Amino acid sequence: GQNIDQPTEMTATEGAIVQINCTYQTSGFNGLFWYQQHAGEAPTFLSYNVLDGLEEKGRFSSFLSRSKGYSYLLLKELQMKDSASYLCAVRVARGTALIFGKGTTLSVSS
Amino acid sequence: DTGVSQNPRHKITKRGQNVTFRCDPISEHNRLYWYRQTLGQGPEFLTYFQNEAQLEKSRLLSDRFSAERPKGSFSTLEIQRTEQGDSAMYLCASSLETRSGANVLTFGAGSRLTVL
Repeated sequence: GQNIDQPTEMTATEGAIVQINCTYQTSGFNGLFWYQQHAGEAPTFLSYNVLDGLEEKGRFSSFLSRSKGYSYLLLKELQMKDSASYLCAVRVARGTALIFGKGTTLSVSS
Repeated sequence: DTGVSQNPRHKITKRGQNVTFRCDPISEHNRLYWYRQTLGQGPEFLTYFQNEAQLEKSRLLSDRFSAERPKGSFSTLEIQRTEQGDSAMYLCASSLETRSGANVLTFGAGSRLTVL
């Protein structure tokens, strides 16, 4: 089976840094994706990692270690609008659909 | 392009009725996916198409569910004899599948089904 684990909930304050972890055990690996989903809205793409290392995109960065089956999403300078669910997803093989974790609900307070 | 469009946005039906959802993907995308999402869970894969060909169906997809993409453009997802457990958000996504690159999925806003 395929397994993707993320913490269910996290809280943080405005201006802080938060790291959301994702571990996966899958039959193959062809890329890891992070999506953001605000309540009642569609998931929107944040980042993609296929090779080990860090990908930085503005306030958001994503890291991948394929040997450890591990990724994290780092959010800097948190804003209230960052309160959302963050979904980790893995593509097991080229051309196949994404498998999603259950998501991490992040609450940012002032 | 207006992105991925889904209709209807909300559907309330009685148990045993049939429902159909429509998805219009981004026009240049060749892949179309259907996912289901319940509260507090991540999207669960149902099926996907490459152009008009249905390439994969989740084993979780019962025979009450059928999806089509007749001309390789829009797609429909039909649920027959709905059950209360079918209540969920049905998400459609599309992507441009290439040999290299991320092949990022773009999601629509979803169709929320409530079965009474």
